Amino acid sequence: SAVISQKPSRDICQRGTSLTIQCQVDSQVTMMFWYRQQPGQSLTLIATANQGSEATYESGFVIDKFPISRPNLTFSTLTVSNMSPEDSSIYLCSVRLYTGELFFGEGSRLTVL
Amino acid sequence: QQQVKQSPQSLIVQKGGIPIINCAYENTAFDYFPWYQQFPGKGPALLIAIRPDVSEKKEGRFTISFNKSAKQFSLHIMDSQPGDSATYFCAASMSNGYSTLTFGKGTMLLVSP
Repeated sequence: SAVISQKPSRDICQRGTSLTIQCQVDSQVTMMFWYRQQPGQSLTLIATANQGSEATYESGFVIDKFPISRPNLTFSTLTVSNMSPEDSSIYLCSVRLYTGELFFGEGSRLTVL
Repeated sequence: QQQVKQSPQSLIVQKGGIPIINCAYENTAFDYFPWYQQFPGKGPALLIAIRPDVSEKKEGRFTISFNKSAKQFSLHIMDSQPGDSATYFCAASMSNGYSTLTFGKGTMLLVSP
């Protein structure tokens, strides 16, 4: 398995500001992903974090709004930029191992006022 | 082509009952089918997964049944307990460790005492 540390676990932010979420995994993994989960909803993939290169974004998500970095195999950050109340959600880091298993962090619960 | 359809949306069973959650997929290239369990305020946890070389897999009280020809798989929880009350997500992907997972919309399970 993989142990994923994600921080902050929760935050309350003002409209128009930006927040960076960090994700650290305890082992080298093939893939790192960022998901968003609205209350009571399923998991929506934001992007695949690629080591040393630009992330691959899913439809509806853009780099200017959700810039992602992955400087090495075990660490990634997601920034939520110019936040609005619609960005209030849980943001989840996940990693996929060489065995195919996918694990999630505990999530970062973001509230935008 | 990429959808995973999950049902029911919610489910209530009495303690000791056997809740069954069903999922259907469309992409015949999928060969990895995990289930996740999510408690409120927590990230989804990998519960059990199956690959299509077997029709059934058991881990403790949790069983996955897989029907390749029907492109369906299901989760059974034997002797369900109130502590099993959670949201369950099915998913599907290719097993190569480099693919993204497609998630179902989730089933909220309540096991009454």
